[in-house]
Amino acid sequence: EVQLLESGGGLVQPGGSLRLSCAASGFTFSNYAMSWVRQAPGKGLEWVSAISGSGNNTYYADSVKGRFTISRDNSKNTLYLQMNSLRAEDTALYSCAKTRGDQWLLSYWGQGTLVTVSS
Amino acid sequence: DIVMTQSPDSLAVSLGERATINCKSSRSVLYSSNNKNYLAWYQRKPGQPPKLLISWASTRESGVPDRFSGSGSGTDFALTISSLQAEDVAVYFCQQYYTTPEYTFGQGTKLEIK
Repeated sequence: EVQLLESGGGLVQPGGSLRLSCAASGFTFSNYAMSWVRQAPGKGLEWVSAISGSGNNTYYADSVKGRFTISRDNSKNTLYLQMNSLRAEDTALYSCAKTRGDQWLLSYWGQGTLVTVSS
Repeated sequence: DIVMTQSPDSLAVSLGERATINCKSSRSVLYSSNNKNYLAWYQRKPGQPPKLLISWASTRESGVPDRFSGSGSGTDFALTISSLQAEDVAVYFCQQYYTTPEYTFGQGTKLEIK
């Protein structure tokens, strides 16, 4: 059974940093691209970042480019999102998702971890 | 960016009745080389992560009840629940993966029992 468990969320001041983790199990982690998606309170879903199975290719939404870094440790079956220079508008529930196929369909999602940016 | 717009924002349907949710993309998500629509539908119940229901606009995922169906092509799509059950109460949203991995999502439709 596929399991994705996010952690690392919390309250941080504007300008601060957080690192989110997503522990994966139930599938061969290195074979699949992974993605982060967020949902701000009362708002819709927003794609944040994606990474290929090898980790060699990374992609970012314009809203986080230059501030967030996605990475993965395939030996630990773990996906990361390093978030720097956080802003109030980054407040959201952050979920990791496993992809499927060449088109990277988001086939399985974790429960998410809440990030709150506030002074 | 491809903008995805769902309608309605909320919907109340009686048990056993049909529910239809619409999704419109700002440009076509039909890839001409394979004639596939890069459109997915998800269900999100309170306290749970989103669950993939339908991919390629009309292909139901394994285990999804056949009362769920997807239709449409190009820019206009629909998710239909043929006979609403109590367990179908959720937020439903569409997503395009034509510009993968720069996905965009509809704003979501909240489905309730009338």
